Amino acid sequence: NAGVMQNPRHLVRRRGQEARLRCSPMKGHSHVYWYRQLPEEGLKFMVYLQKENIIDESGMPKERFSAEFPKEGPSILRIQQVVRGDSAAYFCASSQTGGLAVNEQFFGPGTRLTVL
Amino acid sequence: GESVGLHLPTLSVQEGDNSIINCAYSNSASDYFIWYKQESGKGPQFIIDIRSNMDKRQGQRVTVLLNKTVKHLSLQIAATQPGDSAVYFCAENIKSGGGADGLTFGKGTHLIIQP
Repeated sequence: NAGVMQNPRHLVRRRGQEARLRCSPMKGHSHVYWYRQLPEEGLKFMVYLQKENIIDESGMPKERFSAEFPKEGPSILRIQQVVRGDSAAYFCASSQTGGLAVNEQFFGPGTRLTVL
Repeated sequence: GESVGLHLPTLSVQEGDNSIINCAYSNSASDYFIWYKQESGKGPQFIIDIRSNMDKRQGQRVTVLLNKTVKHLSLQIAATQPGDSAVYFCAENIKSGGGADGLTFGKGTHLIIQP
């Protein structure tokens, strides 16, 4: 039973380039969450998606950041024109449902983005 | 500011001893709490959760206590083992009844198990 998969595990970009982070949820999970973690800090919620829908993007910067979860394929977190402050670990989590019944979120290994 | 925080950034215990990691939250509307363990270079791993209608929940070697009166959450780990060394985060969910379920994390406590 494969867990949440993220790729790449490490990504290096120069300032101004685009970063694309991918997340494949656990089998049977239709809810995806993206979090950002700065060094020595806890995770910060960015966005919550279901298939083809953004449910809550309250934690995502208004500029340069976007996320999608298409009907087919992984969820994508896209950062345009990256800046050094975007350097962080980005974690994806998935859950079976988004309600209280079963909302345990399983986390992937993360993508560590370094902006030079 | 953050609604979830931890009292101690680092906790060092002897192998075999019990450890207690504390967490304070400020949002009285929080109704679901989770403890995660994060090892170096890995994603958070679910340990145990508790809903606001409970004050205690036990798992294998772990117990979570919730005190809603003082908005305090703790994680007790019994008979600590070297593999327990990690950063532990408490997280809360402040939305009930479905809909968005982004978790709010505290900064974490680094648990060090000494031989």
